[in-house]
Amino acid sequence: QKEVEQNSGPLSVPEGAIASLNCTYSDRGSQSFFWYRQYSGKSPELIMSIYSNGDKEDGRFTAQLNKASQYVSLLIRDSQPSDSATYLCAVNEGGTYKYIFGTGTRLKVLA
Amino acid sequence: DTEVTQTPKHLVMGMTNKKSLKCEQHMGHRAMYWYKQKAKKPPELMFVYSYEKLSINESVPSRFSPECPNSSLLNLHLHALQPEDSALYLCASSQGTDEKLFFGSGTQLSVL
Repeated sequence: QKEVEQNSGPLSVPEGAIASLNCTYSDRGSQSFFWYRQYSGKSPELIMSIYSNGDKEDGRFTAQLNKASQYVSLLIRDSQPSDSATYLCAVNEGGTYKYIFGTGTRLKVLA
Repeated sequence: DTEVTQTPKHLVMGMTNKKSLKCEQHMGHRAMYWYKQKAKKPPELMFVYSYEKLSINESVPSRFSPECPNSSLLNLHLHALQPEDSALYLCASSQGTDEKLFFGSGTQLSVL
């Protein structure tokens, strides 16, 4: 059974701090990795995608991928109360239309 | 434009009703998906259409019937649903395998 694991949280950080969200996955054949933000009652919103080992930055967000350790993370710099949401890690089963989602980490940014 | 449009946003139906959910994308994506999401759970794959053909059916009960009229449209026909089918139904699309998956705003379905 292919799995994606995330700490459910809640992860509480003060406003302006760096939030660090982590995800591990079991399928070594996975080649594409995604982070989604989901507010309560809303649909998931894609915020980052990463395909190669290393870091990828987009504004306040940095995704980090280590395929050898089967680990992907998301850093949110200068966290804002509006970042409070559940963050879903998703991993594609390589070459398929199947995306395995983690159970999500709930982030709370305290003003 | 990365928009996937779903209608309706909310739906309440009885167990004997027939209703349909609709989804549209104009990104030229070749794959379209239906997911079901219960509260505090991750999205759960139901169906995938690739190039307008059903590619994946995750053993979904026959009371859910998908349809892909063309490359931009995806429907989910609902019939004789059960209260446990109440959930957020999400449509999504992607250019292909391993590609970014974009979700619509979802339909919050309540079955009474």
